[in-house]
Amino acid sequence: GENVEQHPSTLSVQEGDSAVIKCTYSDSASNYFPWYKQELGKGPQLIIDIRSNVGEKKDQRIAVTLNKTAKHFSLHITETQPEDSAVYFCALKGGSDMRFGAGTRLTVKP
Amino acid sequence: EAGVAQSPRYKIIEKRQSVAFWCNPISGHATLYWYQQILGQGPKLLIQFQNNGVVDDSQLPKDRFSAERLKGVDSTLKIQPAKLEDSAVYLCASSFNRGEETQYFGPGTRLLVL
Repeated sequence: GENVEQHPSTLSVQEGDSAVIKCTYSDSASNYFPWYKQELGKGPQLIIDIRSNVGEKKDQRIAVTLNKTAKHFSLHITETQPEDSAVYFCALKGGSDMRFGAGTRLTVKP
Repeated sequence: EAGVAQSPRYKIIEKRQSVAFWCNPISGHATLYWYQQILGQGPKLLIQFQNNGVVDDSQLPKDRFSAERLKGVDSTLKIQPAKLEDSAVYLCASSFNRGEETQYFGPGTRLLVL
């Protein structure tokens, strides 16, 4: 099946700084790329997604970029706040099932 | 709109015992998924239902895991007998239909097998 490589596994930033998480994949048939945020004791929550016909999408402080040629997509969080601290998962879908990265634990220090 | 409901939230059992998890998807969602999330990893799909039919169970360990969605709404996932390596969070998700990519997750059931 499709492997999704996610980096870094942990990320610590100062409040107000930006955070970037990157995922790479190999299957060019992948056409849907969501990002999920998972807080302790909760299920993953969709925060933003992008489809393969779009290169960039932004929602307030969160943006996702997709480079289909290089087969990678990234999550950008600007002006980070302590409540952004969580585990973030990238995922992708090209066939019937969704594949997830291993996750990035983001810590925003006040 | 109510989200995906799961119960119980936590379960501790001994190996070789059986356990069952319950999921109620978002109202009107035809597609239901069960995922296994081992500590420190992303969710891994176990089984996918479209209404009351199985779409994909290729990653379900069928010698010990079973799942059903008899009336196309609620679903149960069972493990019998449990092994130590089954310790994980079991997540249920739903989407409006099979072609709709957006999946909404429940809070999960945390299982510890001793």
